[in-house]
Amino acid sequence: GDSVTQMEGPVTLSEEAFLTINCTYTATGYPSLFWYVQYPGEGLQLLLKATKADDKGSNKGFEATYRKETTSFHLEKGSVQVSDSAVYFCAPGPDNYGQNFVFGPGTRLSVLP
Amino acid sequence: NAGVTQTPKFRVLKTGQSMTLLCAQDMNHEYMYWYRQDPGMGLRLIHYSVGEGTTAKGEVPDGYNVSRLKKQNFLLGLESAAPSQTSVYFCASRQGLNYGYTFGSGTRLTVV
Repeated sequence: GDSVTQMEGPVTLSEEAFLTINCTYTATGYPSLFWYVQYPGEGLQLLLKATKADDKGSNKGFEATYRKETTSFHLEKGSVQVSDSAVYFCAPGPDNYGQNFVFGPGTRLSVLP
Repeated sequence: NAGVTQTPKFRVLKTGQSMTLLCAQDMNHEYMYWYRQDPGMGLRLIHYSVGEGTTAKGEVPDGYNVSRLKKQNFLLGLESAAPSQTSVYFCASRQGLNYGYTFGSGTRLTVV
């Protein structure tokens, strides 16, 4: 079945540091790829997405590039802020049959002032 | 923009009691989902629906039932609650298969 491997953390960084959270996946075909963010006590929010190979999704300073060759979708941000402290989830979208509902295990990020 | 609204936000049940969790979305999305989130287990799909009147089982459907009588509502029922169903439950919807989920804020359920 489909699966997602994601660095589990926790990741602790100082403010303005560079962030990378690795995500690799196995899936049938080449689904859309998503990153979600969950702040304490809240539901997940869509952070960014990419729908095909070499697409770059971006939002709020975060970026991720759809790498078909390595089946990866690593999340990056050049300068993190304390407000970025949250849990980040990588998830491939459904395949052509509407199946696949897996999420990565989540990576907890703590940014210290 | 209400998005996805879940009720209730918190609930404590005794073992064997029943309850229904309500999810309502105002975005006219076809697809709706129920997930549970547990420490160390991540997010796991319970049931989902691809349109009004349809439901399908996810990864962990045992002990739960669902109904989608109206497009905007997706109900999750627990007929006889067990301590193993203590969890945070999230409802989500999506516009189409290439779109991301919109999640509700969750229901924290404790079964004692």
